[in-house]
Amino acid sequence: KAGVTQTPRYLIKTRGQQVTLSCSPISGHRSVSWYQQTPGQGLQFLFEYFSETQRNKGNFPGRFSGRQFSNSRSEMNVSTLELGDSALYLCASSLAGSGYHEQFFGPGTRLTVL
Amino acid sequence: DQQVKQNSPSLSVQEGRISILNCDYTNSMFDYFLWYKKYPAEGPTFLISISSIKDKNEDGRFTVFLNKSAKHLSLHIVPSQPGDSAVYFCAAEDTGNQFYFGTGTSLTVIP
Repeated sequence: KAGVTQTPRYLIKTRGQQVTLSCSPISGHRSVSWYQQTPGQGLQFLFEYFSETQRNKGNFPGRFSGRQFSNSRSEMNVSTLELGDSALYLCASSLAGSGYHEQFFGPGTRLTVL
Repeated sequence: DQQVKQNSPSLSVQEGRISILNCDYTNSMFDYFLWYKKYPAEGPTFLISISSIKDKNEDGRFTVFLNKSAKHLSLHIVPSQPGDSAVYFCAAEDTGNQFYFGTGTSLTVIP
């Protein structure tokens, strides 16, 4: 079974631009979560989508948004990029049913904002 | 507001000895805890987990201990091997299925 894939793997943008990141979950997984990882901050939860609906949301500004498609693939968008948005963005999928707690992570997208 | 904390950014251990990684949390409503391991240029991978109704879970060389009264979680690796060198994240899940991660501990196992 293929793992979680994220595209692109690396991205360089300038301040003020916007960016869209993509995540394809493991087949059969209906939950997709997004995390931001920066040095010293660990993994900060952005949001979770389940069956095309945002189920949970972290404490990030409205510039960060996402969506999930009917095939469970998810996209994350960041508008008006700031230098502080430079980070590794990780996507994780899970079965998200009762008794399922493990998340499967993709390799991440490294975003650099200049 | 960091609800899950890993206060040791790094840890070095000799091969064959025990590695103990610690994690503290503040929210008593967390009902599930997990440990993930992360190698450079890869996403985190699941290692071991424990339900809040238990105090110990063991899987091969890895054992997780949960002390609910102290709101403390630890991961024991015995014996430690060089391939265990990685960053370890603890995570807690709340009743709304949202996960909170610690900042990670970088483990180096010295051959």
